[in-house]
Amino acid sequence: AQSVSQHNHHVILSEAASLELGCNYSYGGTVNLFWYVQYPGQHLQLLLKYFSGDPLVKGIKGFEAEFIKSKFSFNLRKPSVQWSDTAEYFCAVRPNFGNEKLTFGTGTRLTIIP
Amino acid sequence: SAVISQKPSRDICQRGTSLTIQCQVDSQVTMMFWYRQQPGQSLTLIATANQGSEATYESGFVIDKFPISRPNLTFSTLTVSNMSPEDSSIYLCSAGGLVRNEQFFGPGTRLTVL
Repeated sequence: AQSVSQHNHHVILSEAASLELGCNYSYGGTVNLFWYVQYPGQHLQLLLKYFSGDPLVKGIKGFEAEFIKSKFSFNLRKPSVQWSDTAEYFCAVRPNFGNEKLTFGTGTRLTIIP
Repeated sequence: SAVISQKPSRDICQRGTSLTIQCQVDSQVTMMFWYRQQPGQSLTLIATANQGSEATYESGFVIDKFPISRPNLTFSTLTVSNMSPEDSSIYLCSAGGLVRNEQFFGPGTRLTVL
């Protein structure tokens, strides 16, 4: 079975700082990778996804993530964060076949200080 | 994308009672799922709701405790039976299989059991 690790539980940054949130997964085959965001009081939204092709994927609100197959990683980045990026961020993985079950990481709480 | 609604949005229930949560998707979907998100934790898949057949439960979840119905391709219900305070959580409905394995989430039902 697949698993996902997010090592940063709580990250605090000042506005305009650069962001990188780590995500590593464990699975022996081909995977689809996702980042979801949950803003305070709101439901989960898809930030970006990787299925195949260019390992650098761009999502909404200036976020991007890079899939490094050799490292089993899919880290989320943003060059300059804003106060409105304060949220919980979840990495998720799903095998590229089968019954489409997503496995989520434990989440990273991002707090942006104005 | 799919728009997913859930009812109720929140409820406070007494120990030993049951609550049924409804999930409605605005378009026909292949897959529907139910997740639980306990306070400060990540999402845990409860079961996959199968249209026209019994739900597929994940390890640690059983049909007697979490009966699920899915009478058609746009609707599902999750019942939390014989509730205890440990069932206090956010319950999320999810739909997938629309476009290239994307999965969307409803706003969640916040359940508090006294």
